[in-house]
Amino acid sequence: QVQLVQSGAEVKKPGASVKVSCKASGYTFTDYYIHWVRQAPGQGLEWMGIMNPTGGRTSYAQKFQGRVSMTRDTSTSTVYLELSSLRSEDTAVYYCARTQPSSSGWPFDYWGQGTLVTVSS
Amino acid sequence: QSALTQPRSVSGSPGQSVTISCTGTSSDVGGYTYVSWYQQHPGKAPKLMTYAVTKRPSGVPDRFSGSKSGNTASLTISGLQAADEADYYCCSYAGSNTLVFGGGTKLTVL
Repeated sequence: QVQLVQSGAEVKKPGASVKVSCKASGYTFTDYYIHWVRQAPGQGLEWMGIMNPTGGRTSYAQKFQGRVSMTRDTSTSTVYLELSSLRSEDTAVYYCARTQPSSSGWPFDYWGQGTLVTVSS
Repeated sequence: QSALTQPRSVSGSPGQSVTISCTGTSSDVGGYTYVSWYQQHPGKAPKLMTYAVTKRPSGVPDRFSGSKSGNTASLTISGLQAADEADYYCCSYAGSNTLVFGGGTKLTVL
């Protein structure tokens, strides 16, 4: 069965970086794009960016340009999200989700369980 | 990329119908037939309810239907059930390989 399993919760100080992983299983890793979506406490969903695991190409939301990096390791079917220069407003649950490249508008059909990142001094 | 505009809350009684709106611009909702809707229960990951404006994934009841007119998309839930009480989010393609979500709507089943 399709699974996206994310790494565990993180606590970071302001100014630090965090790297969250998303390990895919149950399907061919390179057949689906992986997106990252975050949700601050009590707030809505916010799209951060997309990674094409085939060639590693990425596209990021303008808000995160320069502070975000998405990478992948095809040998372990894992995608990584790295966010730098953390501030308190980055405290959120970070989700990975997959979409089929050919599907209209890239609907997310499977999601990871979420990773809580807390930024606090 | 500004978030799409949704009402903060809607409510309805069991068996009734409710409609949640999602307003964007000609650069996102109005420019593409690529709007999807997600249901999220507290503490859970979102679940896809409709996509490409009107399509439904297998397993989603036909009580959930999507539509779009101009820059506004809508999700209609008919025959409301207690289990439908959740937060709902719209999401649209916004060009240049980017997506944008709505601010979310809390549905209360009275």
